[in-house]
Amino acid sequence: NAGVTQTPKFRVLKTGQSMTLLCAQDMNHEYMYWYRQDPGMGLRLIHYSVGEGTTAKGEVPDGYNVSRLKKQNFLLGLESAAPSQTSVYFCASKPSGSMDNEQFFGPGTRLTVL
Amino acid sequence: RKEVEQDPGPFNVPEGATVAFNCTYSNSASQSFFWYRQDCRKEPKLLMSVYSSGNEDGRFTAQLNRASQYISLLIRDSKLSDSATYLCVVTLSMYSGGGADGLTFGKGTHLIIQP
Repeated sequence: NAGVTQTPKFRVLKTGQSMTLLCAQDMNHEYMYWYRQDPGMGLRLIHYSVGEGTTAKGEVPDGYNVSRLKKQNFLLGLESAAPSQTSVYFCASKPSGSMDNEQFFGPGTRLTVL
Repeated sequence: RKEVEQDPGPFNVPEGATVAFNCTYSNSASQSFFWYRQDCRKEPKLLMSVYSSGNEDGRFTAQLNRASQYISLLIRDSKLSDSATYLCVVTLSMYSGGGADGLTFGKGTHLIIQP
C-alpha cells in the first residue's frame, strides 16, 4: 500500500495563477483533511471531508476550494494564488468512528507563490 | 491566547540525557491528546497518545493533567535519532484524528540531541 500520496511535491506559481493539489489514499479511509504549515507555525486545518461528496471548512479556508468526488481522492484548489499561500501543504486521512490513534499524513507539497 | 502552546526551543541536549517537553491547551472541552513527531521537511507522524493515567512506550512517557490543562512528554536516555520537532496535538473528539474536525497542533518543540 502506498498510504497517502500527494502530487505535486513542489510547485512555484506566479500571483494570480491557479492550481490543484491532489491527495490520494489507498486505505479506504472515510475522513480526509488538508492542512498548511508555515515556518514557526503549527499545522492549520484548511478543509476536510467526512466522506465522498462532502466537504467542510476548517480553520483557514479562505482562498481555497476542495472537492471529494471519489472516496480515495481529495483535491485542494487555489483559484488565484497569492504570496500568502506560500506554504507546505499536508493531506491526511483516517477511518471514521475509529478509536485508532493515528491520522495518516502524506509527504507534503511545497508551494511557493511569487 | 493560542489553543495549544509549546516552548519552541530549540532544546540542545547531550546524548543519553533525559529531556522533558510541556504543552498547555486552552479549550477545556478537549478530549484527546497526542504527541506527534516531525522530522525536518517530513510529514508529522504519531508518536504516542496521552491518557490521564499516564502512559509509557519504551523511553517515552506522556502525562496529562486535565485540571491544569497541561500535557508533558519525557524522553529518557535520549538518542541522536530523537532529534526532531515534537508537536503537541489536541482534539475535541473522543476519537483520534479529531473526528470530523481535524487536529489542533501546537507550533512544536525542536529537539537537538548532541553526541
